[in-house]
Amino acid sequence: GEDVEQSLFLSVREGDSSVINCTYTDSSSTYLYWYKQEPGAGLQLLTYIFSNMDMKQDQRLTVLLNKKDKHLSLRIADTQTGDSAIYFCAESTGAGSYQLTFGKGTKLSVIP
Amino acid sequence: DSGVTQTPKHLITATGQRVTLRCSPRSGDLSVYWYQQSLDQGLQFLIQYYNGEERAKGNILERFSAQQFPDLHSELNLSSLELGDSALYFCASSVANGQGANEQFFGPGTRLTVL
Repeated sequence: GEDVEQSLFLSVREGDSSVINCTYTDSSSTYLYWYKQEPGAGLQLLTYIFSNMDMKQDQRLTVLLNKKDKHLSLRIADTQTGDSAIYFCAESTGAGSYQLTFGKGTKLSVIP
Repeated sequence: DSGVTQTPKHLITATGQRVTLRCSPRSGDLSVYWYQQSLDQGLQFLIQYYNGEERAKGNILERFSAQQFPDLHSELNLSSLELGDSALYFCASSVANGQGANEQFFGPGTRLTVL
């Protein structure tokens, strides 16, 4: 079945790069997404990558996809205190329904 | 602001009761999704509607039901509530036209507390 795994916590210093990792099991995944959730708020879509791509860059965000290993990562360059949040990896098979299967989320703490 | 609205923001009720959560999708989006977020289960997909029709079902209990109305807003009905139903309930919307990444945009959520 579908399963998405993430490490639960990451702590980095302000100005450093953050790398949040995710593994998924469904080889039919068509798109993979990264969402950000700040305390008391909903989920904000940060970026996504199509399964036939290796990399996607969007300003400070870089997504890397290793389809063979079913491994996805999100790199945040020059991490700021405002980046402190929970980051969720999600997959969608797009097979008629576009339901998302989420990981448990990685809590990123940025130390000033 | 994602453009998806949910009401109410908070709901406190007792076991055995029934509540209705409401969601209005982004303008132009035909599909609505409901997700439940709890500490033990994480974020779980419940159900999806597309243009008024049920499209997919996830881990939704029989005590829960949903519908999407002609104006595309959706309601999630939770009945015979139990303590374990306490959670954040999110609605998301998307175009779901079979093209592109079908980005889902989430509302701010309804926090349900069952006492």
